[in-house]
Amino acid sequence: QVQLVQSGRGVVQPGDSLRVSCAASGFTFSAYGMHWVRQAPGKGLEWVAVISYDATNKYYADSVRGRFTISRDNSKNMLYLEMNSLRGEDTAVYYCAKSRAGGYNYTDYWGPGTLVTVSS
Amino acid sequence: EIVLTQSPATLSLSPGERATLSCRASQSVSNYVAWYQQKPGQTPRLLIYDVSTRATGIPARFSGSGSGTYFTLTISSLQPEDFAVYYCQQRSNWPPLFTFGPGTTLDFK
Repeated sequence: QVQLVQSGRGVVQPGDSLRVSCAASGFTFSAYGMHWVRQAPGKGLEWVAVISYDATNKYYADSVRGRFTISRDNSKNMLYLEMNSLRGEDTAVYYCAKSRAGGYNYTDYWGPGTLVTVSS
Repeated sequence: EIVLTQSPATLSLSPGERATLSCRASQSVSNYVAWYQQKPGQTPRLLIYDVSTRATGIPARFSGSGSGTYFTLTISSLQPEDFAVYYCQQRSNWPPLFTFGPGTTLDFK
């Protein structure tokens, strides 16, 4: 069965950097696009980024473009989100999620989330 | 950037009633529209994709429709487990950028 296991929570100061990770199993990881979606405490969902199955293409929400980088290692079935110049408004639970089908598709499986807190 | 608005923000109904949730886009979108359900403490669950296709394992009481800038999710007869927050999502044609609506809370009347 599909499993997405995420790294633990992170607490950082404004301006800091942090990498969150997601270990995938139960499906052919290298065949699917993958997403990061975040949810601030008590708020709605915000799509962050998507990466193609082969990592050649990456797309970002305006709110994170230039500060965040999505990447993957298909040899290790791992997805990453490198976050730089973090701000208070980046405080959220970050979910990794699998595309439903090939290409840039909706998300059908989600990880449990990683809480990232940006505070001085 | 396409902005999605959902209405109503909160919908109070009773089990057995019909629920109609709306999602409006700031400009015409392709058929890349999906609906998700999220219950407290849980991750979102894909219900509907490509406007009207039910995801795997989703009961037939859930249906989606719409085109252009206006889309709806209908739950034909509410079950107790359907009370949750519902989000619509769209994907732009190219580049493939995704946007969620702010959500509709469906709660017990």
